[in-house]
Formats: sequence, structure tokens, C-alpha cells
Amino acid sequence: KAGVTQTPRYLIKTRGQQVTLSCSPISGHRSVSWYQQTPGQGLQFLFEYFSETQRNKGNFPGRFSGRQFSNSRSEMNVSTLELGDSALYLCASSAQTGHGYTFGSGTRLTVV
Amino acid sequence: KQEVTQIPAALSVPEGENLVLNCSFTDSAIYNLQWFRQDPGKGLTSLLLIQSSQREQTSGRLNASLDKSSGRSTLYIAASQPGDSATYLCAYNAGGTSYGKLTFGQGTILTVHP
Repeated sequence: KAGVTQTPRYLIKTRGQQVTLSCSPISGHRSVSWYQQTPGQGLQFLFEYFSETQRNKGNFPGRFSGRQFSNSRSEMNVSTLELGDSALYLCASSAQTGHGYTFGSGTRLTVV
Repeated sequence: KQEVTQIPAALSVPEGENLVLNCSFTDSAIYNLQWFRQDPGKGLTSLLLIQSSQREQTSGRLNASLDKSSGRSTLYIAASQPGDSATYLCAYNAGGTSYGKLTFGQGTILTVHP
């Protein structure tokens, strides 16, 4: 059974650019959540999608957005990148709330 | 603001010791709690999931307990091995309107030396 797949694994972007990260959940999982991990703030919740609808959003600026497709794959987009956006971005999927979450290996974003 | 505190922040032990990692949370209305391990630069690996109605879960050398009333969870690692070296994170899901949101602690960095 394939796990949660995130692409790309590594990205280097310049300040002001935008970036799109992709997440393919475990087959049959309809909930996809995104997290940002930094050494100073730890793991922080970005947003969660279930059946193409955003159900919950963390405390991040509007430059961070996401979407989910009908096959449950999800993308997150960060516009007008800032140096502080450098982080490991993790995606997690679950069959439904309360069933536990499986995480991908993450995308390491470096903004220069 | 709901918070999760993990104690100790770091732990270094010789191989073979039994360990207890602590996690405390302020939200008593949790739906479930999950323990993860993270190896450097990698994603999170789920270790144990405890539903709010459960008191403990076991998997191999790992045992996790949950006490909602006191807002505490512990992860017990028996007969530690160098391969157990990693950062251990606890996270809870409050359920309800907090769909898909896990609130994480800062983690315990565990080093097991031969």
C-alpha cells in the first residue's frame, strides 16, 4: 500500500516568487492536512481539506493557499515568498477525522 | 491558546534502558492523541494512536497511556536501542470543528548510545 507522496522533495526559490507543492494521499483517504515545520516554531497547522472542501485553516497569511482535487490529491501554493517561508512542509492524510494521520516525507523549501 | 508540552526536551541514555517520555496538554476535550517519531530531515512516522475512550495502546516495545482528566500522556519505551534515536512528538486532535488539525508539542530528542 503506497504511503503519502509529496513532490518535489527539495525546492530552492527566490524571494517574491511563488511555489506549488503537491501531495498524493493514501488511496481511499479523503482528508489531507498541511503543516509547516521550522526549528523555531515547530509544527504548525496550515489547513485541511476533505472531499475538495477546506474545513479548517491555521493562522497563516493569505499568501498560503491550497486546494484538493476530486481524486483527493492536494496542492498548496505560497505566493510572494519571504525568507521566513523556508521550512519543511509536511502533508498528512487520514481516512476521516479520528482515524489517525499518516505523514509524507515532506518538501524542503529554501527561499533565498 | 491550546498547548502541548513535552518533557524532557532532550534525553541521552545508554542502550537497554527503559524510558518514559511525557506529554501534557491543556485541552481536556481531546478526541485522540497520536505519538510520532521523526528522524532528522524526514517526515513523521506514526507510532501509536490512542482514542479518548482508551487508556493505553501497545506496539512492540512501545506503550502509550492517556489520562484525559489530568491532561497527560506518556510514551514508554522498553529496552531502548540505538535505532530508537529520533525526535518523539505527541499531537492531539480535538475533533469537532478542529477537523484535520493536530496540535503538536515541541518534541523530545532521544539519543540512545551503544
